[in-house]
Amino acid sequence: DVKVTQSSRYLVKRTGEKVFLECVQDMDHENMFWYRQDPGLGLRLIYFSYDVKMKEKGDIPEGYSVSREKKERFSLILESASTNQTSMYLCASSSTGTVIGYTFGSGTRLTVV
Amino acid sequence: QQQVKQSPQSLIVQKGGISIINCAYENTAFDYFPWYQQFPGKGPALLIAIRPDVSEKKEGRFTISFNKSAKQFSLHIMDSQPGDSATYFCAASSNDYKLSFGAGTTVTVRA
Repeated sequence: DVKVTQSSRYLVKRTGEKVFLECVQDMDHENMFWYRQDPGLGLRLIYFSYDVKMKEKGDIPEGYSVSREKKERFSLILESASTNQTSMYLCASSSTGTVIGYTFGSGTRLTVV
Repeated sequence: QQQVKQSPQSLIVQKGGISIINCAYENTAFDYFPWYQQFPGKGPALLIAIRPDVSEKKEGRFTISFNKSAKQFSLHIMDSQPGDSATYFCAASSNDYKLSFGAGTTVTVRA
C-alpha cells in the first residue's frame, strides 16, 4: 500500500521556536507539496517541489521554508513559530505529468502556544 | 484569493437523500477538476475527477456535473449513507501537478 507518512500526528510548540515537519513518500514521486488546512479556508498551498533540491512558493509561503535533499523526503520549516501558524499541515505527493496520483498524508496538527 | 469557490460550507441530509455541492472557477486554463473526500483524522483522498471534454461523470453513487460555459461544476451524492459523512473538497488544475482547492463542505448524513 503506497504511503505518504508525516512524522508527527500532533505537535505543540512555543512561539519563536524553530519547527520541522517531516514528510516521506514511498512511491518514487517527483512532486511533493505542503498544504495547510484551516476551517472555512480549505487547503492552501505553502510550497511545492518538483525535483530534488528544487522548490517553488505556493500561495502562502510567508513564514515558512522547505528542504528537499532526497527524492522521498520533503521538510517544512517554520523558522520562528507564531500563533497564527497553528493549523493542520498536510503533505502530498504526485507523479510528474498527472495529478491523478495525488496522495496525501494523514496530517500534522500543530499548535503554537 | 481562492481560485475555486465552493458552497455550501456544510449540509445535513437524511439517509437516502441527495447531497449537492457546487464549485465555481474563473481561470479558463483549468483543465482537470477532481473531488476529494476527507474523513476525520485522515488526509483527503481522491474520490472522482472530470476533464472539461465531458459534461458528466458517474462512479457509483457519485456524479460530477460540469458546465464549461458557466465555469461551474458540482458533486452529487445519490442515496446518501451515514458512511458518506465527511468533508468534500473540489479542486482544479491548469497543469498536471498543482491543484487549487475549494474551502470544503462538511456533509452530515442523518440515519
